[in-house]
Amino acid sequence: DAGITQSPRHKVTETGTPVTLRCHQTENHRYMYWYRQDPGHGLRLIHYSYGVKDTDKGEVSDGYSVSRSKTEDFLLTLESATSSQTSVYFCAISAGPSYEQYFGPGTRLTVT
Amino acid sequence: QKEVEQDPGPLSVPEGAIVSLNCTYSNSAFQYFMWYRQYSRKGPELLMYTYSSGNKEDGRFTAQVDKSSKYISLFIRDSQPSDSATYLCAINSGAGSYQLTFGKGTKLSVIP
Repeated sequence: DAGITQSPRHKVTETGTPVTLRCHQTENHRYMYWYRQDPGHGLRLIHYSYGVKDTDKGEVSDGYSVSRSKTEDFLLTLESATSSQTSVYFCAISAGPSYEQYFGPGTRLTVT
Repeated sequence: QKEVEQDPGPLSVPEGAIVSLNCTYSNSAFQYFMWYRQYSRKGPELLMYTYSSGNKEDGRFTAQVDKSSKYISLFIRDSQPSDSATYLCAINSGAGSYQLTFGKGTKLSVIP
């Protein structure tokens, strides 16, 4: 298994509260990604990072921000959680932009 | 037309059957093709990665790419109950692109 961990694995939070999800990798891969997976939509890219402090938006970035201060850690923040952000969030890593991506175990987030 | 189309199933087969899973895509710029397996409540697991037309084999799994028809397939030989999962195709245009375009997945059940 690729060395990717996500925390927390499960979280229930209330509408309007900030939430931070963490992805940690031990593979020293340059690229890291945050996806959300929803029934009927499949996997959609939220944000990605191509190096420390280098990030960019994906397909569904509204309401999310990211930070990467170290190669191994990529944080996803929901600034003010909404019910539409109830989802399963996956982190992925890759050695390069066109290389295969490896996924973490996921975080199941429920916003009530 | 969606960029990647994948029959959602569900697909149910008896143990030992040959399984064929398929995706079609519309963008002829796509160059890299991946298949992921996702067990319930787990992260996607990379099964196959290929970037050329033709077949690539790994154990009981064969990935097939037909760029002229914009059609990719994953064959599973001697299917086992442990193959029961959702299978996702993912495609990348290469040339330094980070973007993976996913199919929505086909749910497979292998019945003992």
